[in-house]
Amino acid sequence: EVQVVQSGGEVKKPGESLKISCKGSGYNFATHWIGWVRQMPGRGLDWMGMIYPDDSDTRYSQSFQGQVTISADKSISTAYLQWSSLKASDTAIYYCARHRIVATIDNYFYYYMDVWGKGTTVTVSS
Amino acid sequence: QSVLTQTPSASGTPGQRVTISCSGSSSNIGNYYVYWYQQLPGTAPKLLIYSNSQRPSGVPDRFSGSKSGTSASLAISGLRSEDEADYYCSAWDDSLSGVVFGGGTKLAVL
Repeated sequence: EVQVVQSGGEVKKPGESLKISCKGSGYNFATHWIGWVRQMPGRGLDWMGMIYPDDSDTRYSQSFQGQVTISADKSISTAYLQWSSLKASDTAIYYCARHRIVATIDNYFYYYMDVWGKGTTVTVSS
Repeated sequence: QSVLTQTPSASGTPGQRVTISCSGSSSNIGNYYVYWYQQLPGTAPKLLIYSNSQRPSGVPDRFSGSKSGTSASLAISGLRSEDEADYYCSAWDDSLSGVVFGGGTKLAVL
C-alpha cells in the first residue's frame, strides 16, 4: 500500500526553528516528486512546493520561496519541511503529499497530488 | 484570494444530485487537467477525481467530474450524509509554475 506518514504535532515559540518529516512507503520514493500543502485554521489549501528526492530538484510556490526549506533523504525515504525562524502566522496543518507527473503533447510537465499524509499540526505561540 | 473560484457553500438532501463548480483561466483550467479533493471533517484531503473526470479506485461512481473551457464541475448524485465535507478543485497554473486550489466548497447534507 502506498502511504506517506508524517511526524507528530509540534508546539513552538516565535523565533524557534523546526523541521517536520514525511516518510514514504509502498512505492519508489526516490523517483516520485513529494511536496507540502499548508492549511491554516479554518482556511483552504495552499501548495508550498515539492522535491524530487533522486536529485533533490526542488520547486517552490512563489508565496513560500525563501520562507521555508524543502529537503529529502532518499536513503531513508523521508522528505522534510523546515523553518529557521517561526512566526505565529505559521500556525497551520501541514500535509505531505506524493506528486504525480503529467506530460502534455508538447512535452510540458506538470503535477498533482494523489496520496496524502494525515497532516502535522504546527502551533506557534508565545 | 484563491486562484480558482468556488462557491463557498452548497447543500442538498439525501438522494439528491448536487453540483459544485470551479472557475479559472487559460493559465490553469483552460489548458490543464482539473483535480478534485474531498476533505471530510478533521481529516486530510483525499483525491476524488483526477484528469477532469477519472475516479481513483474505491471512489463511488456517484461522484463525477467534467470540464468545459476554463470551468469545471463536480457532481454528486444520490447524496448521502457521509458526503458532508469540503471539496476543493485544483489545477496546474503555468503563469505561477505551481499547483493552485479553489477556496473550497463546504457541502451540507440536510
